[in-house]
Amino acid sequence: KQEVTQIPAALSVPEGENLVLNCSFTDSAIYNLQWFRQDPGKGLTSLLLIQSSQREQTSGRLNASLDKSSGRSTLYIAASQPGDSATYLCAVLIIQGAQKLVFGQGTRLTINP
Amino acid sequence: SQTIHQWPATLVQPVGSPLSLECTVEGTSNPNLYWYRQAAGRGLQLLFYSVGIGQISSEVPQNLSASRPQDRQFILSSKKLLLSDSGFYLCAWSVGQSRPYEQYFGPGTRLTVT
Repeated sequence: KQEVTQIPAALSVPEGENLVLNCSFTDSAIYNLQWFRQDPGKGLTSLLLIQSSQREQTSGRLNASLDKSSGRSTLYIAASQPGDSATYLCAVLIIQGAQKLVFGQGTRLTINP
Repeated sequence: SQTIHQWPATLVQPVGSPLSLECTVEGTSNPNLYWYRQAAGRGLQLLFYSVGIGQISSEVPQNLSASRPQDRQFILSSKKLLLSDSGFYLCAWSVGQSRPYEQYFGPGTRLTVT
């Protein structure tokens, strides 16, 4: 059974710092990995999607990497801003009859001005 | 462009009452549709998925059911709510049976069962 773990559960850093969020998964048979952002009480906003054949994806100040063989992904946020404060969720997609996302518990990020 | 709607945004219901949550998708045809639940202290869990009208698969045994009466409409229902049904319900869609299999999420419905 696929399990996804995110470490740390919460992170608080001062504005301007570069930071890394970690995600690990137990089964390397994935089709893609998505990083989402969730603001309090809101839905999920997709940040980056890395297909299983890819190693990384970049969007603005965000860079996500994928090492399928070791079951790990990282989300790197450069020059953090208070507006980056949110919960970040990692999810892997498996196909068992249908396309299913398996989520981690998330990392709650606070950027202090 | 594609848009996904969910309503209501928030709902407070007593134990034993019925439930109906609605999700609609605009701007695409024959999407795959999903219901997820995010309960307090737990991660997002897939509840139901549908690959076409009338085709529903359940991921976990529970007090809820789902229906897809139209191509872009997905409904989550219950005949009698339990306290444990409280949570944040998210609808999602994806298109096709080929890569990249990206899923897009709606704004969610916050359900509190009292």
